[in-house]
Amino acid sequence: EAGVAQSPRYKIIEKRQSVAFWCNPISGHATLYWYQQILGQGPKLLIQFQNNGVVDDSQLPKDRFSAERLKGVDSTLKIQPAKLEDSAVYLCASSPDWYNEQFFGPGTRLTVL
Amino acid sequence: DAKTTQPPSMDCAEGRAANLPCNHSTISGNEYVYWYRQIHSQGPQYIIHGLKNNETNEMASLIITEDRKSSTLILPHATLRDTAVYYCIALPGDYKLSFGAGTTVTVRA
Repeated sequence: EAGVAQSPRYKIIEKRQSVAFWCNPISGHATLYWYQQILGQGPKLLIQFQNNGVVDDSQLPKDRFSAERLKGVDSTLKIQPAKLEDSAVYLCASSPDWYNEQFFGPGTRLTVL
Repeated sequence: DAKTTQPPSMDCAEGRAANLPCNHSTISGNEYVYWYRQIHSQGPQYIIHGLKNNETNEMASLIITEDRKSSTLILPHATLRDTAVYYCIALPGDYKLSFGAGTTVTVRA
């Protein structure tokens, strides 16, 4: 079974630029999550989707971050404009449903200069 | 949501059992204890979970005290590939994962 796919794996941008990350969850998984992991810390949930609807985006900095999950499959996370403090690994995870264990992708490491 | 407390780091010898403690003294009756681990440059990986009873799977065993205030994750025969950060999480009813700093486990040859 293929795992959660994320791209790109690495991205370097300058502050105030825009960036987008892509996630392809495990086939058939209804729930999709985006996490931010700053160096030395555990992952922090940014947003949770159930199919193509948002369940929780309370921790998403909505002035600069946006996410969508069209057709309830793939998802994109965008940052516009980026700040230095956005440097982190962005992890996508999926689960068969909201009450199941989560499967994580390898993450995208973002460096903002 | 209950907070968990784990030691920041621990070493163990390859081939020996690794016992990872976790305190969750404020855990409520419906909160499960979940363990994930994160190998360097990878995303977290689910290991095991339990509510009251001890649990075992192909990766590890989970021992939960009778009062549910603490638990221990046991890796029966640690290998170098078990070197990772291990997260103990008290999962609330909405099943949202809240990761702390975890325990950095280093398995030494």
